Amino acid sequence: GIQVEQSPPDLILQEGANSTLRCNFSDSVNNLQWFHQNPWGQLINLFYIPSGTKQNGRLSATTVATERYSLLYISSSQTTDSGVYFCAVEQVGYSTLTFGKGTMLLVSP
Amino acid sequence: DTEVTQTPKHLVMGMTNKKSLKCEQHMGHRAMYWYKQKAKKPPELMFVYSYEKLSINESVPSRFSPECPNSSLLNLHLHALQPEDSALYLCASSQEGVAGTTDTQYFGPGTRLTVL
Repeated sequence: GIQVEQSPPDLILQEGANSTLRCNFSDSVNNLQWFHQNPWGQLINLFYIPSGTKQNGRLSATTVATERYSLLYISSSQTTDSGVYFCAVEQVGYSTLTFGKGTMLLVSP
Repeated sequence: DTEVTQTPKHLVMGMTNKKSLKCEQHMGHRAMYWYKQKAKKPPELMFVYSYEKLSINESVPSRFSPECPNSSLLNLHLHALQPEDSALYLCASSQEGVAGTTDTQYFGPGTRLTVL
């Protein structure tokens, strides 16, 4: 099956800092989704981004499908950004998502 | 409305109990999913229902039994579980994308299950 690798595994930031999270995948994909899981377990879909760039407030994401990676940018981080960020991909020929292991982000005041 | 609801929020059960988890969405999505998530791990897919029919069963033990009574509801019936089944159980839904691919998945808040 497809391999999905996220980096870094852990990240600690001061409030107001910027960060970039990376997702590499080993095969062609139909789509890629970024999720944020808050400390209470709720998974929120941040982006559906099979290719190109999207922005939503302080968050933006870029997927370069031909080079098999995606980046999630968080600007001016806030304590509420803390949690785990998952990248999930749907491999071509499949109809389910494969999740990476996640990046755990802690934003301190 | 992009909400998926799950009940109960927490569940404690013994190994001989029978219980059910419930999931509901009113977004008109025709694909619904059950995931299991252990602490500090990503969600693992258990089952997929597409147009109310079970389309994917990821080799889940028979002590987990899914049911899709209608297009808005998804149940997970639990019987004779083991302590290692303790986890966060997440429900999700999505539209079907182009050519049977998946679209944006929306997750419920989950049920935290403890098996004693």
